[in-house]
Amino acid sequence: DAGVTQSPTHLIKTRGQQVTLRCSPKSGHDTVSWYQQALGQGPQFIFQYYEEEERQRGNFPDRFSGHQFPNYSSELNVNALLLGDSALYLCASSLVGGGNSPLHFGNGTRLTVT
Amino acid sequence: GENVEQHPSTLSVQEGDSAVIKCTYSDSASNYFPWYKQELGKGPQLIIDIRSNVGEKKDQRIAVTLNKTAKHFSLHITETQPEDSAVYFCAAPFNNAGNMLTFGGGTRLMVKP
Repeated sequence: DAGVTQSPTHLIKTRGQQVTLRCSPKSGHDTVSWYQQALGQGPQFIFQYYEEEERQRGNFPDRFSGHQFPNYSSELNVNALLLGDSALYLCASSLVGGGNSPLHFGNGTRLTVT
Repeated sequence: GENVEQHPSTLSVQEGDSAVIKCTYSDSASNYFPWYKQELGKGPQLIIDIRSNVGEKKDQRIAVTLNKTAKHFSLHITETQPEDSAVYFCAAPFNNAGNMLTFGGGTRLMVKP
């Protein structure tokens, strides 16, 4: 049973560039959430996707956008990268309804902005 | 929204001792409280969770207690082992479904052999 998979594992970008991160949810899950984890801090909610729609967004600017595909996989896009966007980006999946379906996390993409 | 505070930020114990990590939350409507363990280079892994209709839950050496009146919950690890060394996060949901989480700041647990 495949867990949550993310690609790439590491990425280095320059300030002002754009980046796309990818996530495949755990088998059987239909909801994908993205979290940003700065060094030494807890994960922060960016947004959640279900049925190819953004359900809710955390306190992140419009430079952060996402997409969910019919096979439930998802992408996170960040435009006009800033140094402060350097972080571990985590994808988590669950079943809609969530109450009996805990979040399962991937191992993340480490983004470094120089 | 939900606000979660976690203490301590670092905890060092001798192998075989117990470790306790405490969290408080702000939203009295929250009804689901998971704990995650994050090892170096990996994503958070769910180790135990508790729902508000129970006060305590145990799974081998790990237990979680919940006090809804005081709005705090705790993780207890007994007979600690070096492989328990990791960063532990508590969390609480900010939506009814329980799958949008606010995390605490984390506790780095070091178990000395």
